[in-house]
Amino acid sequence: KQEVTQIPAALSVPEGENLVLNCSFTDSAIYNLQWFRQDPGKGLTSLLLIQSSQREQTSGRLNASLDKSSGRSTLYIAASQPGDSATYLCAVFVDGANSKLTFGKGITLSVRP
Amino acid sequence: DAGVTQSPTHLIKTRGQQVTLRCSPKSGHDTVSWYQQALGQGPQFIFQYYEEEERQRGNFPDRFSGHQFPNYSSELNVNALLLGDSALYLCASSLTLAAGKLFFGSGTQLSVL
Repeated sequence: KQEVTQIPAALSVPEGENLVLNCSFTDSAIYNLQWFRQDPGKGLTSLLLIQSSQREQTSGRLNASLDKSSGRSTLYIAASQPGDSATYLCAVFVDGANSKLTFGKGITLSVRP
Repeated sequence: DAGVTQSPTHLIKTRGQQVTLRCSPKSGHDTVSWYQQALGQGPQFIFQYYEEEERQRGNFPDRFSGHQFPNYSSELNVNALLLGDSALYLCASSLTLAAGKLFFGSGTQLSVL
C-alpha cells in the first residue's frame, strides 16, 4: 500500500528565506508526482508535476525534484514571500487498474513579514 | 474555459440525513474522481467514474455512492450522514481514465451537526 509522508506538519520562516519542503513515498512504482497548494478551506492548485522519468521541474520561484529510487521529492521555494503562506501537499499517481492520487497530509507554511 | 466546478460551496446537514454534491468537469475531460478531505488531513480517494460507470473505489462504505451523466458531470451521494462525514469534498477531472494530471474544483464544505 502506497503511503506518502510529509514532515514537518508545519513550518514558520521569515520573509526572504529559501526553503525546502520534503515528501517521501513508500512504493517507487509511481507514474508521476504532483505538488499542490491549498489555501484554507479552498481547493487544490497544482504547482508542479514531475513524470516518473523526470528528475525535476521548475516554475518561477518553485523547483521540484524527484528521486524515485529513494522514494523522495523536494519542493524548493526561493525567496519566500508572505503570499506563499498556505498548505503544500505532495501526491503520487499510480497508473493502471488502481490509478488514483495518494496524498500526504501536507505542510502548513507560514512566511512572516 | 471553465475549470472544474462544484456545487454547493457549503452545506450544513444533520445526522441521518442524505446529501448530494455536484461536479462539472473541465471542458474536454471525461473522467471524474471524488476525494474527501478531513480537517488537517490529506485528501482521501472515494471513487472514480468513467463512461458512466464506477471504475474503482477507495475504502469508503456503501453509504457513499455516485453517478456520472452522459455529459460527464457527476454527483456524489452520502446517505445516513454521520458526524465524521464532515469534511471538504473535492472533485477532480482528468482527460482520460489513466491520465496522470488531475484538475481539482474548489470543493464543497459539508458540516454534519
